Amino acid sequence: DSGVTQTPKHLITATGQRVTLRCSPRSGDLSVYWYQQSLDQGLQFLIHYYNGEERAKGNILERFSAQQFPDLHSELNLSSLELGDSALYFCASSVVQGRGELFFGEGSRLTVL
Amino acid sequence: AQSVAQPEDQVNVAEGNPLTVKCTYSVSGNPYLFWYVQYPNRGLQFLLKYITGDNLVKGSYGFEAEFNKSQTSFHLKKPSALVSDSALYFCATRGSQGNLIFGKGTKLSVKP
Repeated sequence: DSGVTQTPKHLITATGQRVTLRCSPRSGDLSVYWYQQSLDQGLQFLIHYYNGEERAKGNILERFSAQQFPDLHSELNLSSLELGDSALYFCASSVVQGRGELFFGEGSRLTVL
Repeated sequence: AQSVAQPEDQVNVAEGNPLTVKCTYSVSGNPYLFWYVQYPNRGLQFLLKYITGDNLVKGSYGFEAEFNKSQTSFHLKKPSALVSDSALYFCATRGSQGNLIFGKGTKLSVKP
């Protein structure tokens, strides 16, 4: 158990809909990272938050957004969903940014029908 | 740009034999290198990292990795493979934005 909690574990929705994925980092970790894993794209970095502030953006679509709240949990919002958004979405946390390893949650599997 | 490459999509090993999963890196500056393992329908688990120091890094579950600067490689090794080691293995490096940049992954299959 990494200590990173993600909900929901599975989510099935329709095209055009909006979903919110939630992540609680390890106790004490200030950094939260979001990744998307798909068969054709592999593991893609989406966005990084540190102590409530956005620090870096990766290959995140404009239809996607995220935020980190004062209690350090984070949410990834996916809107106007398309079939191609079906993937496993991971959250990871770390206590420091830029050097140490990341600790990953179990992921949220999104299926868009 | 920082990147890692895993040249093998799949590695097949017999149980009890040594295993090697290959990774090469392209990094400007000092490389921060990592290995992760992913079991089916699970998250990524951290195995080991190289930041600085000894070129042979020991990690979890009996895995180790050898950092080779001249060959820009960071291969994952284990002296004696177990069937339970069968999984997807990812090499990663730190990107300029502080995130981890992952290779495409290597599927390790250990047969009894």
